[in-house]
Amino acid sequence: AQSVTQPDIHITVSEGASLELRCNYSYGATPYLFWYVQSPGQGLQLLLKYFSGDTLVQGIKGFEAEFKRSQSSFNLRKPSVHWSDAAEYFCAVAARDSNYQLIWGAGTKLIIKP
Amino acid sequence: DSGVTQTPKHLITATGQRVTLRCSPRSGDLSVYWYQQSLDQGLQFLIQYYNGEERAKGNILERFSAQQFPDLHSELNLSSLELGDSALYFCASSGSGSDEQFFGPGTRLTVL
Repeated sequence: AQSVTQPDIHITVSEGASLELRCNYSYGATPYLFWYVQSPGQGLQLLLKYFSGDTLVQGIKGFEAEFKRSQSSFNLRKPSVHWSDAAEYFCAVAARDSNYQLIWGAGTKLIIKP
Repeated sequence: DSGVTQTPKHLITATGQRVTLRCSPRSGDLSVYWYQQSLDQGLQFLIQYYNGEERAKGNILERFSAQQFPDLHSELNLSSLELGDSALYFCASSGSGSDEQFFGPGTRLTVL
């Protein structure tokens, strides 16, 4: 069965510092991979997605993620975080043969220190 | 703004009651997905409809049901509500053959 693991429940980073949020997935074939962000009291916004091609994917708000098949990982990165990046980040996996229903990680809450 | 609308924004009800959550997808999107976000279970896929027909089922309880109408809006019906059903319920929509889902703002259900 497909599953997604986000090992860090929360991460604290100083404003201006770099960020990496970890995501590992379990799936038999190459899945579609997504990162979503949820700001407090808000819905889910897609940051970026990967399904084929270049393994380094650029997203909105200066985020990028790298797909590493050998490690079954899809980690999210940002070179310099801003206070407005404080939110909860969710990694998700989907498969075409399951009608793209999303299987979610537990989320990582990002806290920004001033 | 994703173009997906959900009503109501908040709903407070009592155990044993029944509620209906409504979702209007983005213009032209045929697929509607429902997800539940709770403190205990995190985000879970409930059910998907495509052009009026049920396409996939996830961890949806038998007390819950959904439908998609000819105008493509969808309703999620929750009955015999329990305290544990308190959660944020999201609807998402996508176009035909698309891998990207666009999420509504959610309906926060509180069962007292």
